[in-house]
This record gives sequence, C-alpha cells and structure tokens, in this order.
Amino acid sequence: DGGITQSPKYLFRKEGQNVTLSCEQNLNHDAMYWYRQDPGQGLRLIYYSQIVNDFQKGDIAEGYSVSREKKESFPLTVTSAQKNPTAFYLCASSSGHSNEQFFGPGTRLTVL
Amino acid sequence: SQKIEQNSEALNIQEGKTATLTCNYTNYSPAYLQWYRQDPGRGPVFLLLIRENEKEKRKERLKVTFDTTLKQSLFHITASQPADSATYLCALDIRAGRRALTFGSGTRLQVQP
Repeated sequence: DGGITQSPKYLFRKEGQNVTLSCEQNLNHDAMYWYRQDPGQGLRLIYYSQIVNDFQKGDIAEGYSVSREKKESFPLTVTSAQKNPTAFYLCASSSGHSNEQFFGPGTRLTVL
Repeated sequence: SQKIEQNSEALNIQEGKTATLTCNYTNYSPAYLQWYRQDPGRGPVFLLLIRENEKEKRKERLKVTFDTTLKQSLFHITASQPADSATYLCALDIRAGRRALTFGSGTRLQVQP
C-alpha cells in the first residue's frame, strides 16, 4: 500500500538532547513537509522540500534541522536549541499541481 | 503574512442537520483553498479542493464555496452523522513564492445523535 509513515509514534526526550523524527513515503511525491501542532492549534510549517537535496525554512524553523538525501525520506531533527519542543509533529507529502497533501500518523514528542 | 481565521469554538449540531463551517482569510488571494478533516491524535485527511475561479465544489455530502470578494470559504456537511464529528481545517495555497500550504487552527464539529 502506498502511504507515508512516521516513527516513532511517541517519543520522550530529556532536555538538552537532540532527537530525530523519521518520515518515509512511497507515493513517489516530490514535495515533503514538516509541521508542528500544539493543543487546540493549527499546523505550523517547520521546513519543506520541493526536490531532493533542497529544502526551505517554514515559519518556525529555529531549533530544527532537516535533510533530503532521498526522495522517499525527510527526517526532522529537533535540537537542544528548540526552546519548547513538546508537541505533535506531522509529516506530509504532495505531488502535482493541486498541492493536496497526504499526512503521516504523527509523532508525539514529550520533553521530560 | 497570510492570516486565516476559523471559529475556535466547537460547533454542536443534531444528527441529520447541515453543519456549516467558516474560513476567513486576509491579505493574498489563494489560488487554491483546501479542507481537511483531523481526528484526535491523527494526521489530517484531505477532503476537498476549490480553485480561485470556482464558486462551489461538491463531493457526496460535502460542499465547499469560495468567495474571493469576501475572502471567505464555507464548508457544508449535509445530513450530518455522529461519525462526522472531528476537527476541520482549511488551508490556503497562494502560489506565490512559497509552495506550501498555510493552515487555519480548525473548527471542532460535534454531531449529537
């Protein structure tokens, strides 16, 4: 089945540690995105990538980093510089003119 | 920057009625406007897309309207069912510079049996 996967579903991190969230898609989509969602709020764009080896900052990129070495993969690293990293992280992909996005199941990150 | 407003208060309706959700935006006019459904603890799911030159789009019990003069989209669910209870997000694609969607904060719909 085609789809987009994220792992792990739940992640706990101690303050001061970097952590990497995985996102993989087998939809052959060119574009991939990372969003952050806080309780009762909408999605805020962290980073996005339109093609392999290229990515752009979104609205809240500080404290995060990404890479896009393969079309299928777009991992997100939450660094210790991110002041308030506890949130629900969503990865998405899209292809085609309409930019309809397909989302993964999300990773809930909790900083202890 | 683009600002999107969706009613932050939950919408409670009786089963069988029509639910109407509102999405208002400022500044740029989007080339596309999209609606997504999100269930608790899960990723959003795409529902409908409407283009700037379209006034209305339908899909089964769903209908979306797009008024670029009012800078507003309305999302209707007819003959609502308890299974329609979820948060509904609107998202704008302005097609200028950044090729990424801007999402509203969503409106939670609760359909009572």
